[in-house]
Amino acid sequence: QVQLQESGPGLVKPSETLSLTCTVTGGSVTSGTFYWSWIRQPPGKGLEWIGYIDFTGRTNYNPSLKSRVTISEDSSKKQFSLKVNSVTTADTAVYYCVRGGGYADPFDYWGQGTLVTVSS
Amino acid sequence: SYVLTQPPSVSVDPGKTAKITCGGHSIGGKSVHWYQQRPGQAPVMVIHYDSDRPSGIPERFSGSNSGDTATLTITRVEAGDEADYYCQVWVSGVDLPQFGSGTKLTVL
Repeated sequence: QVQLQESGPGLVKPSETLSLTCTVTGGSVTSGTFYWSWIRQPPGKGLEWIGYIDFTGRTNYNPSLKSRVTISEDSSKKQFSLKVNSVTTADTAVYYCVRGGGYADPFDYWGQGTLVTVSS
Repeated sequence: SYVLTQPPSVSVDPGKTAKITCGGHSIGGKSVHWYQQRPGQAPVMVIHYDSDRPSGIPERFSGSNSGDTATLTITRVEAGDEADYYCQVWVSGVDLPQFGSGTKLTVL
C-alpha cells in the first residue's frame, strides 16, 4: 500500500521560497512507470495541479506557475520535493503530494495535505 | 484552455439517486476520473477511466462518459456521501491534467 506524507514549514513570508517534501512509503519515485505530482487547494476553493516529476526524472509544470516552480526527487530517500519562489498571499493553500497525473492516469494515492500560509 | 463545467451544488434526499455532471468539449473522447473530498480530508478517487470503480469504493458509485458530458451517479445516497466531487481529465496538446470546479453534494 503506497502512502505519501508531506512535510515542511506551515508559514512562509511573502517574496520568500515555499519548500515542501513528500516521503513515499510502499513504493519508489523511480520504480515502475508512475508520475508524482503536487496539487494545491486554496481555502474554500478547488484543486489546482502544480506539476509532476516522472519515473525518469522528467518534469512538467502548470503553465500558470511554471516560472516559479521546481519539482525534484531524491530516490535514495524515497522523496520528492516542491519549491515555489517569490510567494504571495495567493499561494496560501493546502498542498498535497499525489501519485499520478501523467497522461490519462488518475491521481490514485494522496497525502493528507499540509496547509501553507503566506504571511508576514 | 480546456474547461470542465460542473454544477456548483447538487442536493438529494437520503436513499435517492444523485447525478453530478462534468461538461467539456468532446469529453467522451477522454478518460474521466472522479474524486470525493469530504470536509477537512484529502480527495479520494471514486471512479477512474470513466466508469471503473477502485477497490473499496461501494457499488453505489458509477460513472459514464459520452459526447460532451461525463456523469457520476450515486445511488441510495447516504449522509456520508455529503462531500465535494471533482472530475478530472488529461488535456492533450498542452499535456496537463485539468480539474473541474467541483460540485458540493448536500444530503437533505
